[in-house]
Amino acid sequence: NAGVTQTPKFRILKIGQSMTLQCAQDMNHNYMYWYRQDPGMGLKLIYYSVGAGITDKGEVPNGYNVSRSTTEDFPLRLELAAPSQTSVYFCASSYGLRLGSDEQYFGPGTRLTVT
Amino acid sequence: GQQVMQIPQYQHVQEGEDFTTYCNSSTTLSNIQWYKQRPGGHPVFLIQLVKSGEVKKQKRLTFQFGEAKKNSSLHITATQTTDVGTYFCAPRGYGGSQGNLIFGKGTKLSVKP
Repeated sequence: NAGVTQTPKFRILKIGQSMTLQCAQDMNHNYMYWYRQDPGMGLKLIYYSVGAGITDKGEVPNGYNVSRSTTEDFPLRLELAAPSQTSVYFCASSYGLRLGSDEQYFGPGTRLTVT
Repeated sequence: GQQVMQIPQYQHVQEGEDFTTYCNSSTTLSNIQWYKQRPGGHPVFLIQLVKSGEVKKQKRLTFQFGEAKKNSSLHITATQTTDVGTYFCAPRGYGGSQGNLIFGKGTKLSVKP
């Protein structure tokens, strides 16, 4: 199993450009998450999904959009990139919120710089 | 809303010394998870605590959940250079949006050989 994969690993965007961060998992997890991590900070939840076709906002959703058409894939869309979106983006997945089975598995991250 | 404070923010120790990081929540928690992130890496799950007063051990790591389920700690005995990284607590509240993990800012551990 590859676990959680993310592409690209690095990206530089100009202000106002758009892009999609890709995330895929092969563990048949129901739950998927997008976090951002700013230097010296913890992880902030952007969006999450409890299954195909179902998404919901996290703590910092503004400027982002998501979709979940399949169990495996959970892309994150940045529209009109701004310098404040410079960060490391992590995708994660888990079986769900059942106790004992909701540990989150993280992808390697995408380092995004907006200039 | 739920707030999480993790202390200290940084800890520098000599190899062989002990290390402890503390996680405090403003609200009662459903459970708490701990993660480790190596420099340049991604968070990796360490453990989950669910019961009031729970203590779990993983080799040199000891995790505790407070009796009131509002705080937790991670203690490493006799640190090694492989322990270097940032340790995050991730508490979970009850229901609705509180059902998601809230990550603390982490404690960055450096170990001098």
